Amino acid sequence: SQQGEEDPQALSIQEGENATMNCSYKTSINNLQWYRQNSGRGLVHLILIRSNEREKHSGRLRVTLDTSKKSSSLLITASRAADTASYFCAPVGSARQLTFGSGTQLTVLP
Amino acid sequence: EPEVTQTPSHQVTQMGQEVILRCVPISNHLYFYWYRQILGQKVEFLVSFYNNEISEKSEIFDDQFSVERPDGSNFTLKIRSTKLEDSAMYFCASTIAGQTYEQYFGPGTRLTVT
Repeated sequence: SQQGEEDPQALSIQEGENATMNCSYKTSINNLQWYRQNSGRGLVHLILIRSNEREKHSGRLRVTLDTSKKSSSLLITASRAADTASYFCAPVGSARQLTFGSGTQLTVLP
Repeated sequence: EPEVTQTPSHQVTQMGQEVILRCVPISNHLYFYWYRQILGQKVEFLVSFYNNEISEKSEIFDDQFSVERPDGSNFTLKIRSTKLEDSAMYFCASTIAGQTYEQYFGPGTRLTVT
C-alpha cells in the first residue's frame, strides 16, 4: 500500500506559532504530496515534492523528504486561524490514485 | 484559476434508486478520478479514468458503479441501485498527466441515501 500515516493525529497551537506534521510511508515513491481538507470540503493540493528532492518551500509551507527513512514533514510557519484543517500526505508510487490516511487535525487558536 | 466543479452539491435519494453525480474536470486535464469519504472516515479511492476507459478501480467500485465521459467536458459517476452505506461525500479529481502531478479536487457532492 502506498498510504501515508500522519503524526500527530491532532495538533493544537496558538496563532503565530509554527506547526509541524509528519508522515511515514512504506513503499518506494515517485513523489509525495500534501493536501489540506477543511471540514466537509474538498481536498486542496498544497505541495508536491519529488523523490529526488530533499526540501521544498511554498509561501509559509516547508516540506522535507527523507526517502531513506521513508518520511516527510510539513511545516507551516506563522500559523493563522484559517490554517485550521486536516492535513494529509499522499505518497505516490506506481499507482496513479492517491491513498489517504487519517490525517493530522490542526487547530490554530486565535 | 481553473477549478473542478461538481453538481449537485447535495443529493438525497431513496434506497434502490439510481443516482448520477456530475463533474467537470479542468479542461486540459487527461486523468480523472472519483473518491468518496464516509462521514468521519478516510478519503477512499474509487476509480481512475483515462483515454475513455477505466485505468484502475478499488474493491469498493463494484458492478453497482459506473463512470462515463459522455462529452468533452463532463465526467459522471453512476450508482445503479443505491444502498444506505453509499451515503458519503463523493469527490471528483483531475490531473493534467499521471501520478507525477498533483490532483485537483472538486468541492464534492454529499449523497444521502434514505
